[in-house]
Amino acid sequence: RKEVEQDPGPFNVPEGATVAFNCTYSNSASQSFFWYRQDCRKEPKLLMSVYSSGNEDGRFTAQLNRASQYISLLIRDSKLSDSATYLCVVIRAPYSSASKIIFGSGTRLSIRP
Amino acid sequence: DTEVTQTPKHLVMGMTNKKSLKCEQHMGHRAMYWYKQKAKKPPELMFVYSYEKLSINESVPSRFSPECPNSSLLNLHLHALQPEDSALYLCASSQSPGGRDGSPLHFGNGTRLTVT
Repeated sequence: RKEVEQDPGPFNVPEGATVAFNCTYSNSASQSFFWYRQDCRKEPKLLMSVYSSGNEDGRFTAQLNRASQYISLLIRDSKLSDSATYLCVVIRAPYSSASKIIFGSGTRLSIRP
Repeated sequence: DTEVTQTPKHLVMGMTNKKSLKCEQHMGHRAMYWYKQKAKKPPELMFVYSYEKLSINESVPSRFSPECPNSSLLNLHLHALQPEDSALYLCASSQSPGGRDGSPLHFGNGTRLTVT
């Protein structure tokens, strides 16, 4: 089992829909969490950090559930331009010499007109 | 408008060529990384430089040779590559190595490498 897992998708939703996807992590030492967006043949770009209390940035909401060990990304009123792969990134044991950055395999999202 | 810049954007090289990829960041980050990414896969870590010293080499073949001339620059020297080395090569930086301070990676725009 991978330490960080994502549903690969693709999620195919109509424009204007709300879509959510999760990322689960297995190591309880994981403490820092991020969502990245990657367009086809481009570099990953930091979309948002994920904080314990949950955080929102416009149409995007990120949440962390420590008890169940997953993070989620919710996109409201989806736009065609939201079509991309969304990568979950977890830092295991930050603030220590054993810290490690771990990538999920990504979830592909396709928004249709 | 990425703060980590990579050159070249595209590179085609033969198996006997020697080439170099370059990366530059001016964010004062103390850690720099090389990642390799194949289609439909997440980035795969190759090397980490921490305070200009190589701290992690993920068992990368010696035909890839990293170099960190100073805290802002990172190079990847390529020699005698194989066609299966064709991929997107990403440079990244972060405040501290390996996410030690919990801060995220910032990626450059990548070099798309094709080995013929």
